[in-house]
Amino acid sequence: DTEVTQTPKHLVMGMTNKKSLKCEQHMGHRAMYWYKQKAKKPPELMFVYSYEKLSINESVPSRFSPECPNSSLLNLHLHALQPEDSALYLCASSQGRGLGSPLHFGNGTRLTVT
Amino acid sequence: DAKTTQPPSMDCAEGRAANLPCNHSTISGNEYVYWYRQIHSQGPQYIIHGLKNNETNEMASLIITEDRKSSTLILPHATLRDTAVYYCIVEWGKLIFGQGTELSVKP
Repeated sequence: DTEVTQTPKHLVMGMTNKKSLKCEQHMGHRAMYWYKQKAKKPPELMFVYSYEKLSINESVPSRFSPECPNSSLLNLHLHALQPEDSALYLCASSQGRGLGSPLHFGNGTRLTVT
Repeated sequence: DAKTTQPPSMDCAEGRAANLPCNHSTISGNEYVYWYRQIHSQGPQYIIHGLKNNETNEMASLIITEDRKSSTLILPHATLRDTAVYYCIVEWGKLIFGQGTELSVKP
């Protein structure tokens, strides 16, 4: 079990669908992160939120749209995805950025785009 | 780009110490060294981190060289459940993962 909860665990969607991934933490952390991980590759950073504001966008295509409604929740809205976007999407949180506080990861949402 | 270099794979006998090396020769003075591991199909698990001094917790020990250009993660008594990919990461504000070391613990 992890303290970062991601839903759903698995998602299959067509290229014309709109779906959302959800992430929740109740550790009082003020930084939240989205990573993408392809098979047998390391996680790649997508977005960083700090105090509910987007602070880093690693040149992610606009078909991925993050949202941080409050300090405990992080969403990733998906629209018009491609089959190559199939991957494990990981959410993480930390007390802050650059403060020596470790990231805590969820177990991810495994996304398949058909 | 990742600022760390790790061997792609290592083997360790069960019950023996596993010593995983990491080079981070371009580390900045305010950057921490973090170690994570990832077991298949799970999210990365935090192990330990340090800035300058050696650190120990219930999972592992972290040895950082005096010039901070390299470090070693030590699992004192490896078990089969320690088989995983181990990532060494230096960070200021975000974590960028390198390729990691695939550790296989064998009976």
